[in-house]
Amino acid sequence: AQSVSQHNHHVILSEAASLELGCNYSYGGTVNLFWYVQYPGQHLQLLLKYFSGDPLVKGIKGFEAEFIKSKFSFNLRKPSVQWSDTAEYFCAVRGGGNKLTFGTGTQLKVEL
Amino acid sequence: DTAVSQTPKYLVTQMGNDKSIKCEQNLGHDTMYWYKQDSKKFLKIMFSYNNKELIINETVPNRFSPKSPDKAHLNLHINSLELGDSAVYFCASSHVEMDGYTFGSGTRLTVV
Repeated sequence: AQSVSQHNHHVILSEAASLELGCNYSYGGTVNLFWYVQYPGQHLQLLLKYFSGDPLVKGIKGFEAEFIKSKFSFNLRKPSVQWSDTAEYFCAVRGGGNKLTFGTGTQLKVEL
Repeated sequence: DTAVSQTPKYLVTQMGNDKSIKCEQNLGHDTMYWYKQDSKKFLKIMFSYNNKELIINETVPNRFSPKSPDKAHLNLHINSLELGDSAVYFCASSHVEMDGYTFGSGTRLTVV
């Protein structure tokens, strides 16, 4: 069975600080990896995804993530966060079948 | 045009009642899903349908019954509602094994 761990549950940063959110997955085969963002009171939106190829993927709003197969990790990064990045961030993995399994989420608060 | 639309957006009802949530997607996707997001923001898959066929049925009480009249619609009917059913329910759709999910805006169900 596939699973996802997000170790940072709450992160507070000042504007312009750099961001890195950890994501580790557990699955023995080929995986597809995703980061979703949920702004307060809204639905989930896809930030970026990794299927194959270049392990460094770039998404919307200046976010990027790096797939490190040897570490089973897919950490999300942004060089300089903005107040508008305040949201819940979910890492997700799809292994066998078409089931997307989500991590428990990281609540990011960016202070002015 | 809304890609994945859910109705109603809010639903407040008493324990023991039966209610339905509707979902429609106009993306031409062949797979649809129901996820439950609890008060701690944890997202858990409930059901998945591919071309009107049930393909994922997680450990969900049988008071929850999905119905897919066609591949663009996936409704969720809940019998004998309980306090613990209070959550946000998200519908989503995707192409099988091709892309990330597109989520609806959610239905906040409150059982009193």
